[in-house]
Amino acid sequence: DVKVTQSSRYLVKRTGEKVFLECVQDMDHENMFWYRQDPGLGLRLIYFSYDVKMKEKGDIPEGYSVSREKKERFSLILESASTNQTSMYLCASGGAGKQYFGPGTRLTVT
Amino acid sequence: SQQGEEDPQALSIQEGENATMNCSYKTSINNLQWYRQNSGRGLVHLILIRSNEREKHSGRLRVTLDTSKKSSSLLITASRAADTASYFCATDPVGFQKLVFGTGTRLLVSP
Repeated sequence: DVKVTQSSRYLVKRTGEKVFLECVQDMDHENMFWYRQDPGLGLRLIYFSYDVKMKEKGDIPEGYSVSREKKERFSLILESASTNQTSMYLCASGGAGKQYFGPGTRLTVT
Repeated sequence: SQQGEEDPQALSIQEGENATMNCSYKTSINNLQWYRQNSGRGLVHLILIRSNEREKHSGRLRVTLDTSKKSSSLLITASRAADTASYFCATDPVGFQKLVFGTGTRLLVSP
């Protein structure tokens, strides 16, 4: 079974903090994705990566950066967290044919 | 925005009834997929239908695709309380290398 794990299920951070969200997949997928999910807005793509050290902006990259140093790990970084980044963050791996999702991290920025 | 739209936004039915959800999208696609999300969890892939297919079945799920209308529907037959979840369609648009998700339908199945 494909497994995608995320470092935290719940996270509370203060405004201005640097926040790291980690995602690890065990299926040797080349493609990995970070989404945020907000009520009424569905899933919106933040960043994605097709290979190690490679990244592409999604639909809403502002305020975020990513890191992919190893194939199995894709990190989302909030350089200076703001309250409007309070959301559910979902990591996925796979491709356009099928994506496998992690359980999500609910981030609250106060 | 490439985002698809789903309707209804919310659907409430009794166990044993059928549930139908619809998805509309904007561009040409390679395939369309449906995902399920239990409350506060990640999404789980349910079924994929390619652009040259019109209908697909998987257990109690039936998906149709009308590329001329740029729409799809997901039918869950003989629903169960355990089907309570949010359901999302996702398209693989031609020329893009990523999925585009709809806004989702919240399904509540009451015993």
